[in-house]
This record gives sequence, C-alpha cells and structure tokens, in this order.
Amino acid sequence: DTEVTQTPKHLVMGMTNKKSLKCEQHMGHRAMYWYKQKAKKPPELMFVYSYEKLSINESVPSRFSPECPNSSLLNLHLHALQPEDSALYLCASSRGLAGVQRATDTQYFGPGTRLTVL
Amino acid sequence: RKEVEQDPGPFNVPEGATVAFNCTYSNSASQSFFWYRQDCRKEPKLLMSVYSSGNEDGRFTAQLNRASQYISLLIRDSKLSDSATYLCVVIFLSSGSARQLTFGSGTQLTVLP
Repeated sequence: DTEVTQTPKHLVMGMTNKKSLKCEQHMGHRAMYWYKQKAKKPPELMFVYSYEKLSINESVPSRFSPECPNSSLLNLHLHALQPEDSALYLCASSRGLAGVQRATDTQYFGPGTRLTVL
Repeated sequence: RKEVEQDPGPFNVPEGATVAFNCTYSNSASQSFFWYRQDCRKEPKLLMSVYSSGNEDGRFTAQLNRASQYISLLIRDSKLSDSATYLCVVIFLSSGSARQLTFGSGTQLTVLP
C-alpha cells in the first residue's frame, strides 16, 4: 500500500481566513513533504520533515506554517494568504533513509488539495 | 540554467507509435533519477526509477547517460492511456540539508486514436 491521503480535496478561502491542510500516511514513512504546484509547472518543494523535525524550509512565507504532530500526520496551516497562493498543494512521504541512501528514497504523493484564495 | 531541463512538448503521436523523451541535468553530483507521470489535475505517480545499466518495464525503457548527463524514457506501442505529462526527477546530495527532489518542467504527451 503506497497511499498518502490529503484533506480537503478542494478549499476556497478568503485572504483573512485561517485554514489547515491535512496529510496522512500509514506506510511507516519517516519523511514527509509539502509541495506547491501551479498550473503547467512542476511541483515546487516547500517543506521537508524528517523524523517529525523540520529539516528543510525552502524560504516559504510565514503565512504558510507546517506542523508534524506525529510520524503519520503532516499539516499545513494557512493564514492571510494571497490570491497568487492559489495552487495545488501536494503532500508526499518517503521512507526517510539516511546518508547516501537518501538519494534512492522514493517519494509517494497524495492526491493534493486544490486551493483557491479569493 | 535550470538544474533539470526537459522538452515541454507537446508530443502528439498516434496510437501504436514509439516516442522518446530526454531530460538533461546540470549537477554532476546527481545520484538518483526517476520518471514520474502526472495526469491532468492529479498527483505525480512514480513510473520508474532509472538505473545506470538501463531498465525496462513492459513498454517503457529508461536509460541514463552519466557522461552526457541525460536520462531518457522510451515508450513503445503507445496507448491512449499513456497520455499524460512525464516528469523527469533528479536527486542530488549536498552538504547540510539536501534538496530531496528536483523536477523537470515536464513533457506533455497526447496519444491520438
């Protein structure tokens, strides 16, 4: 089973709202990721959690706030977003190997949350 | 220069055709290579890893040329269901916290009846 689930599937929010995106996996993976994908563009990495600790933040604005409550869950808290933040937000997970093995650590993606900011 | 470059296409081919995509990467320290497939409004799904010796999975063949720093994907006997965007993915390790994946911009394939 290589399933990563994400909720909600679709989200429409105003610029003053606070909302959260959720991601869950039960594959025992220890690395989880948030990506942002605009139309006709490849996914862009936002955050990486490794063993529930934030290990990479790709200079993402503070209006995006990740949280990893446990090894199976990953949240992305949204506050005061802008219309240009509208995109598909993808969560992924991988086994989270160490050292050089990290290079072969295959990532599995969830179906994404399509976010529209009005 | 982008770290991973792909021809964006679109490639429009008839059913049964053979089609090939190339992807070049700039970082010679790149370690691992993958092809992902992404259908319209869906998430990327792993199609296959790419090994130095080349590898085949049914109608799909992937090759890696480290000297020239490119990978390729060959699809034989194209099916309508092969229509998708194909994303080349490269992983390299760097000091400190490493970027996990670098995506190419994707190549759009449409297989026509």
